[in-house]
Amino acid sequence: SQTIHQWPATLVQPVGSPLSLECTVEGTSNPNLYWYRQAAGRGLQLLFYSVGIGQISSEVPQNLSASRPQDRQFILSSKKLLLSDSGFYLCAWDQDEKLFFGSGTQLSVL
Amino acid sequence: LAKTTQPISMDSYEGQEVNITCSHNNIATNDYITWYQQFPSQGPRFIIQGYKTKVTNEVASLFIPADRKSSTLSLPRVSLSDTAVYYCLVVPARQLTFGSGTQLTVLP
Repeated sequence: SQTIHQWPATLVQPVGSPLSLECTVEGTSNPNLYWYRQAAGRGLQLLFYSVGIGQISSEVPQNLSASRPQDRQFILSSKKLLLSDSGFYLCAWDQDEKLFFGSGTQLSVL
Repeated sequence: LAKTTQPISMDSYEGQEVNITCSHNNIATNDYITWYQQFPSQGPRFIIQGYKTKVTNEVASLFIPADRKSSTLSLPRVSLSDTAVYYCLVVPARQLTFGSGTQLTVLP
């Protein structure tokens, strides 16, 4: 069966520091992968999606970037974090128009 | 991009049936209607998906009228553990942005 791994679960970073969140999927090949962000008490905002290695689409211009170096690996990065980057970050993959999410990373930028 | 509208919050009591309606007036011919459930500090979990009429699984039922401009998620005999945010989506996955959803609170 397919599983999705996302880490770390929580992260506290100072303003201006870099960020790297990693997501890996097992049990499937060539998945569509997604990064979402959820601010406290809000809905989920789609940040990036990828249909294959090296193929990244950005939905919202921002301080973040994404990369897909391997088929089942999706990385979210930032060179310098802003206070507004705080939030709950979720990785997901889809099958038959259904999304399956990881456990998320709670990022606090101080 | 089909926009959805659903109530911000709903309260219910244990053992009752809960119906959450979602409006999606500009749904496209090829769009499916999908519902997710989210607990605090967790990612959303797929509940049910449908195209038209009625779909039922072990968790919920989804009712979709002929014009497909709305849909209703039905949760039978809710329990306290059904307290969560419920999202309705009707776009292809790669264009998905979740709205604020409906906060369902089940009271004892």
